[in-house]
Amino acid sequence: KAGVTQTPRYLIKTRGQQVTLSCSPISGHRSVSWYQQTPGQGLQFLFEYFSETQRNKGNFPGRFSGRQFSNSRSEMNVSTLELGDSALYLCASGGSREKETQYFGPGTRLLVL
Amino acid sequence: AQKITQTQPGMFVQEKEAVTLDCTYDTSDQSYGLFWYKQPSSGEMIFLIYQGSYDEQNATEGRYSLNFQKARKSANLVISASQLGDSAMYFCAMKSYDKVIFGPGTSLSVIP
Repeated sequence: KAGVTQTPRYLIKTRGQQVTLSCSPISGHRSVSWYQQTPGQGLQFLFEYFSETQRNKGNFPGRFSGRQFSNSRSEMNVSTLELGDSALYLCASGGSREKETQYFGPGTRLLVL
Repeated sequence: AQKITQTQPGMFVQEKEAVTLDCTYDTSDQSYGLFWYKQPSSGEMIFLIYQGSYDEQNATEGRYSLNFQKARKSANLVISASQLGDSAMYFCAMKSYDKVIFGPGTSLSVIP
């Protein structure tokens, strides 16, 4: 089975721009979760999509949004980028609920200048 | 508030020795899941082991085992027979119905 894929792997943007990241989950998985990882804040949960609906949401501003398509692929969008948005963005296939194991993709490294 | 604590920012272990990585958690939920992940320098998070809060036996997966002490709210990861490829960051995570939190991680270095 193919693993979780994320594109692009690396991205450089400037403040004020917007960015869209993509994630394709493991075949058959209907849930996709997004995480932000920074040296200062560690790993933080952004949101989870299940069958095209947002099922769970972390504590991030509205500039962070996402969506999921009928084929379970998910996109995450960050508008009006800030320097603090520089991070590794990880996508996980599999649910965020207590018994659901998640399998992570390689991540997208975003640098905001 | 829910919280995960990993008190060891960095650890060293000799190759072929066993090592224990500590994880304590705080939650008022009765049902939750505990997970350990490994993150090599490449950045990808690799699932290692899972323990449910109602599981009576400690979880094991190959060289990984989880020392689960519910009353103490601890879920320590034990890696037996350490290998050089085990050098990485290790994260403890907890999930309950609508919350997912990760600990700050422990950096493990395996010495030849």
